[in-house]
Amino acid sequence: GDSVTQMQGQVTLSEDDFLFINCTYSTTWYPTLFWYVQYPGEGPQLLLKVTTANNKGISRGFEATYDKRTTSFHLQKASVQESDSAVYYCVLGPAGAKLTFGGGTRLTVRP
Amino acid sequence: GPKVLQIPSHQIIDMGQMVTLNCDPVSNHLYFYWYKQILGQQMEFLVNFYNGKVMEKSKLFKDQFSVERPDGSYFTLKIQPTALEDSAVYFCASRRDNAETLYFGSGTRLTVL
Repeated sequence: GDSVTQMQGQVTLSEDDFLFINCTYSTTWYPTLFWYVQYPGEGPQLLLKVTTANNKGISRGFEATYDKRTTSFHLQKASVQESDSAVYYCVLGPAGAKLTFGGGTRLTVRP
Repeated sequence: GPKVLQIPSHQIIDMGQMVTLNCDPVSNHLYFYWYKQILGQQMEFLVNFYNGKVMEKSKLFKDQFSVERPDGSYFTLKIQPTALEDSAVYFCASRRDNAETLYFGSGTRLTVL
């Protein structure tokens, strides 16, 4: 079945640091890949999605691209802020079907 | 943006009792989902529901689980009877037809004693 792996369980940065979170995925479908963000006490919300390999998704200063050859999908931001502290999920979803979540990366940004 | 509402936000019950978790999805959405998240662990798909039917369910969706959405009312997850391992946060989600974006509620934290 489909699977998503996020190796970085926790990341701690200072404000204005560069953020890079990676995940790998496995599926037999042509994937759509998402990054969802979850703030304390809330449900996950869509940050951005990428439907085509090597295309870039951009939202709120975050960027993501996926590499079909290495089946990897990364999220980056040039300069993080304290308000970016949250859990970030790499998510795999064929169009119109259920989403498969990675284990999440808890980002803590220190002021 | 679109809001999915979940009621209640917390529920505490004794093992063996029945519990119903309620979800008020986005008004024009047609596809509904439940996910389970045990504290500190990842989101796990339980079930999705469309046109009055379960479309797909995971191994976590035990025989004690059921879902329904009577016309115009809440989309519900019922657990009967509950077990200790059912303690978790349950997230409801919905999406429009032919759209990929899932909108999640804030979750119901279920504690089974």
